[in-house]
Order: sequence, then structure tokens, then C-alpha cells
Amino acid sequence: AQSVTQLGSHVSVSEGALVLLRCNYSSSVPPYLFWYVQYPNQGLQLLLKYTSAATLVKGINGFEAEFKKSETSFHLTKPSAHMSDAAEYFCAVSAASNDYKLSFGAGTTVTVRA
Amino acid sequence: DTAVSQTPKYLVTQMGNDKSIKCEQNLGHDTMYWYKQDSKKFLKIMFSYNNKELIINETVPNRFSPKSPDKAHLNLHINSLELGDSAVYFCASSQSGGGPEQYFGPGTRLTVT
Repeated sequence: AQSVTQLGSHVSVSEGALVLLRCNYSSSVPPYLFWYVQYPNQGLQLLLKYTSAATLVKGINGFEAEFKKSETSFHLTKPSAHMSDAAEYFCAVSAASNDYKLSFGAGTTVTVRA
Repeated sequence: DTAVSQTPKYLVTQMGNDKSIKCEQNLGHDTMYWYKQDSKKFLKIMFSYNNKELIINETVPNRFSPKSPDKAHLNLHINSLELGDSAVYFCASSQSGGGPEQYFGPGTRLTVT
């Protein structure tokens, strides 16, 4: 079975500061890892994905994440926060052996201070 | 062009009623999913269909019954609604063999009073 743990349910950053959202995974098989963003009252939008190719993955809106197998981590970063980054962020894991069923973390709420 | 659409967006109903939520995707995908997001924003998969065949059926009360009339549609029917069914329900789709990423609809906020 696969699972993810997001460290920190709420992150507050100043506009222009680094955004760092932490995600650790557990998987008995090579995982596929994802970050999704949910803006208020909207659906989930895929930010980026790791599917066993490059360990540093670049996504939309200036976000990137690095897969570290030794640390079982897939942290999300953005060098400079923008007010529009305020949203809920979800880390998720799946595996081909599990019919690609996504298991989500509990989510991290990001607020951006002016 | 909306890739994954759901109707209705909001649904308010009373306990004991039966209601349906519809989902359609125009991405040409062959796999569709239903997820439930509770009040704490936790997301959990409920069902998945691949080419109209049920492949994932999590521990969900049998009052919930999915139905896939074709690859582009997945509906969710809920009988005898309870207060605890209040949540946001998301539909998603993906293409088997085309990558594991899933594309989500805008959600249906169900409120049971």
C-alpha cells in the first residue's frame, strides 16, 4: 500500500519568500508522486508529477519538486511566493500495481502575506 | 472546453432523499474515479471504472452506487442520504497506459440537512 504524510497543515509565507511544502511517502513498490493545488471552491489542478524519470521535476506556476528516494521525500518548492499562490496543496502517491489509485496527504494550506 | 465536468455544482437536500451526481470527461480517457473530500479537506477514493468495468471499490456504504454508461461518463447515485454524506465529491479521469496522472472536475458540494 502507498501513503503520504504532509508535514505542516498550514504554512504562512511573505510575498517574495521561498515556499517549501514537505511530503514524505511510503510505498512498497516504485511510486508515482504528485502535487496538486486546490484554489478556494475549485477542483484539483495538477502542479507536477514524478514518474521515475528525472528526480527534479518542474511544474506549472514556477513550482518544482525533488524526488529523494533515500529520504522517501518529495518536497515542493517555489523560490518566490506570489499572492496568487494562496491555496491548498496536496501531495499524492500512486502505483501501477494499484490501478493508479491516488492516496492523498492531508493537505497544506498556504497563506501569503503582503 | 471543460475537460472534466460535473453536475450539479451544488446540491442541498434533506436526509432520506436519493440524489445523483453526474460526471463527463472529454479527454478521451478510459478510466474514471469518484473521490470524497470531507470537511477537513481530506480526499479519499471511493470508486474507479476502467472501460465501464468497476476496478476500485473502497469501503463505501452500499447506499452509494456508481454507474458508467460509457467511457466518458461516470455517475454517482446516493440512496437514503445521511448527514455524514455532506462533503465535496470530485470526479477524475485518466488514461491507462498513458501516465498515472488524474484530471479532476470542479467538484459537487453536497449538503444534507
